[in-house]
Amino acid sequence: ETGVTQSPTHLIKTRGQQVTLRCSSQSGHNTVSWYQQALGQGPQFIFQYYREEENGRGNFPPRFSGLQFPNYSSELNVNALELDDSALYLCASSPARGGYTFGSGTRLTVV
Amino acid sequence: QQQVKQSPQSLIVQKGGISIINCAYENTAFDYFPWYQQFPGKGPALLIAIRPDVSEKKEGRFTISFNKSAKQFSLHIMDSQPGDSATYFCAASRGGATNKLIFGTGTLLAVQP
Repeated sequence: ETGVTQSPTHLIKTRGQQVTLRCSSQSGHNTVSWYQQALGQGPQFIFQYYREEENGRGNFPPRFSGLQFPNYSSELNVNALELDDSALYLCASSPARGGYTFGSGTRLTVV
Repeated sequence: QQQVKQSPQSLIVQKGGISIINCAYENTAFDYFPWYQQFPGKGPALLIAIRPDVSEKKEGRFTISFNKSAKQFSLHIMDSQPGDSATYFCAASRGGATNKLIFGTGTLLAVQP
């Protein structure tokens, strides 16, 4: 098992820019979810993908979008970055039945 | 609207002591209650989880106690060790382990040697 890997680990962007974060899910896991964790807070659910289709979305605006690929890897895209988007973005994968395995996250700073 | 409330915000325990973290939930449709441990610079790692058909689950030094009528659940860490120092999150989901998790706000645990 290789676990969940995310890239990049850190990123600095300017307000108004766009960003793409990447996630390779754990082998055998067909469900990928993305969470946003602000400093000192618990993770907040952004959305989930199952077999390349969005399968649930949290309270995030449409400028947060995603993709899941046939190999179950995933991307999170954020357009028109705002200062409040600064956070740790976590990817988590899970098998058909079972709990999440989280990656170490991407630390995004918007300046 | 916060659906999972966690307390305390921080906790200091002596080595060998018992650490207790509490959570309360509002949505009675929740049917999966995991606890996660997070070290600085890392993602949350699943520690232990429980479903509402049991009142207690133990794995090693970690125990979840679940009170369905009170809509509360707690994590007990027995014989706490300095290596247990981390942030702990409770969470809840509806429809099983693969659905979206609603997290508590976290408890920063420090175990003093």
